[in-house]
Amino acid sequence: ELKVEQNPLFLSMQEGKNYTIYCNYSTTSDRLYWYRQDPGKSLESLFVLLSNGAVKQEGRLMASLDTKARLSTLHITAAVHDLSATYFCAVDKAAGNKLTFGGGTRVLVKP
Amino acid sequence: GAGVSQSPRYKVAKRGQDVALRCDPISGHVSLFWYQQALGQGPEFLTYFQNEAQLDKSGLPSDRFFAERPEGSVSTLKIQRTQQEDSAVYLCASFNLGLSYNEQFFGPGTRLTVL
Repeated sequence: ELKVEQNPLFLSMQEGKNYTIYCNYSTTSDRLYWYRQDPGKSLESLFVLLSNGAVKQEGRLMASLDTKARLSTLHITAAVHDLSATYFCAVDKAAGNKLTFGGGTRVLVKP
Repeated sequence: GAGVSQSPRYKVAKRGQDVALRCDPISGHVSLFWYQQALGQGPEFLTYFQNEAQLDKSGLPSDRFFAERPEGSVSTLKIQRTQQEDSAVYLCASFNLGLSYNEQFFGPGTRLTVL
């Protein structure tokens, strides 16, 4: 059974500082997704990582994938208030398969 | 429409009532998923359709849950004799193999509250 774990579950950030969210998964997969969810809203796709060593960046967010370690990281650079949300990673075993999500990391950026 | 739509957005049901939740996927998307998201948790897979065929229903929590997609586009998730533990947000997602990295596009969800 594929399991996905995120940590931390909650992250209180100060504006301007850097932070990292970790996502571990239990079985081999080359496909990992990061989503953002604002309160009461649906899931917004942030990154799709499809191979070992993949790195993608968008604004203050950068995601990477190490399939050998079964680990993905989401790095936040110089946090700003607008980044407050819950972040989920998800894994599927192949294209078209169901997604298995982590429990989410709730991020709160304080001034 | 441009994205996945779901209706109703909010549903309050008394325990024991039946409910039906609708999903309109992105036009032309062959694959459709339903997920259940309990408060404070990540979404969990319920069921999967490819066109009108329900290929995987392993995530449906009980036989009170039933999903259909008779014409391969709109899908309905039906919950019979609702229980309080059914309270959650029900998310629908669609995608087409070979497009956009095969990522799933999610609808806004239906928040179900069972009293």
